[in-house]
Amino acid sequence: DTGVSQNPRHKITKRGQNVTFRCDPISEHNRLYWYRQTLGQGPEFLTYFQNEAQLEKSRLLSDRFSAERPKGSFSTLEIQRTEQGDSAMYLCASSLEKGQFFGPGTRLTVL
Amino acid sequence: AQTVTQSQPEMSVQEAETVTLSCTYDTSENNYYLFWYKQPPSRQMILVIRQEAYKQQNATENRFSVNFQKAAKSFSLKISDSQLGDTAMYFCAFIPGAGGATNKLIFGTGTLLAVQP
Repeated sequence: DTGVSQNPRHKITKRGQNVTFRCDPISEHNRLYWYRQTLGQGPEFLTYFQNEAQLEKSRLLSDRFSAERPKGSFSTLEIQRTEQGDSAMYLCASSLEKGQFFGPGTRLTVL
Repeated sequence: AQTVTQSQPEMSVQEAETVTLSCTYDTSENNYYLFWYKQPPSRQMILVIRQEAYKQQNATENRFSVNFQKAAKSFSLKISDSQLGDTAMYFCAFIPGAGGATNKLIFGTGTLLAVQP
């Protein structure tokens, strides 16, 4: 499978716990994006990497959120001290030039 | 503000018929890229079709085509010969600026399309 992969697919956690998600982009894609999607809404941009450099962050990305892309390959998104409002689908996408290709997402439920 | 509006929350079409999904957007940029994405019940977002704003010719991909009206800031999606597998949420999105795939996508709220047998 040469598409974007994300792990885990589902995560249930208790409020206050830390969680980390992983995204593996399409191998030749140098651009990587994180989005958050809540029920009934379109995805909202969180952050963008070109290679290993994080070039843009949304105001949605509070201090509790951090993303990395070491060596310009896979990326991780960590949420510290989770809150119930963090419950959402977290989508990763990668691109080279023509459009962004999305992974299956990680569904986070914060109890 | 850069926004995307999809005014049809839900639509239904009979199998083999044609359906058009509406989308309008707002931007002050002259160059940008427009997209339609499909999100089936399995939730994986799939790129359906893309249009560069500087191209006057409407993009087509098999049964999918767009009607791009730049002056009206309108970007509708036409699905011909609808199939059961077309049942999904359809999102209109755009990337402002000439960077193409380098910037963030701005999405609408989606149109849920149901293809009836």
